[in-house]
Amino acid sequence: DPKIIQKPKYLVAVTGSEKILICEQYLGHNAMYWYRQSAKKPLEFMFSYSYQKLMDNQTASSRFQPQSSKKNHLDLQITALKPDDSATYFCASSQADRGETLYFGSGTRLTVL
Amino acid sequence: QQQVRQSPQSLTVWEGETAILNCSYENSAFDYFPWYQQFPGEGPALLIAIRSVSDKKEDGGFTIFFNKREKNLSLHIKDSQPGDSATYFCAASGTGGYKVVFGSGTRLLVSP
Repeated sequence: DPKIIQKPKYLVAVTGSEKILICEQYLGHNAMYWYRQSAKKPLEFMFSYSYQKLMDNQTASSRFQPQSSKKNHLDLQITALKPDDSATYFCASSQADRGETLYFGSGTRLTVL
Repeated sequence: QQQVRQSPQSLTVWEGETAILNCSYENSAFDYFPWYQQFPGEGPALLIAIRSVSDKKEDGGFTIFFNKREKNLSLHIKDSQPGDSATYFCAASGTGGYKVVFGSGTRLLVSP
């Protein structure tokens, strides 16, 4: 059974719309992350959370907003979508607060038309 | 600024050969260096990792050689099999942060 669940697996959106990417982890980890992967920038760090608090944010745009309703949830809301946002978004989690060993979900592939 | 660099971008070896993947980094504060393996349609998965206090780490047919002075490391895949064909990412992290930085990856193809 997958320990990190990302939903949906595929997502198609129109320019200017808003979408929420879902991530739940069942590994008992206290740190969660979002990474983005595209042909231009493989595995780009976006956010890290520890105990539901934002620890690091490397995303310049405020259009990307993580949302943590529970310790094992870290959703990603993206507003005013642009074609350049097309990528695969990976959620990850780790045991140690330093984020040493990351466990990744299978990703959500987002296409913005 | 690319903090972790990998080479080559792609590599083809014959089955049974040793594949050598290279990685270098800039930040001296990095002290933990994992390698991740990614198959198409899946998320990356930890393969093997080394800390900067060591110069070598072996696990099965995978070996990391680490040179702290030169700030580089390499992953050797011994007796490569077609099932090892994947993209391999070198990564780095250090104290005081919650961010693991990844290189751009090496796509390995093992031909039978």
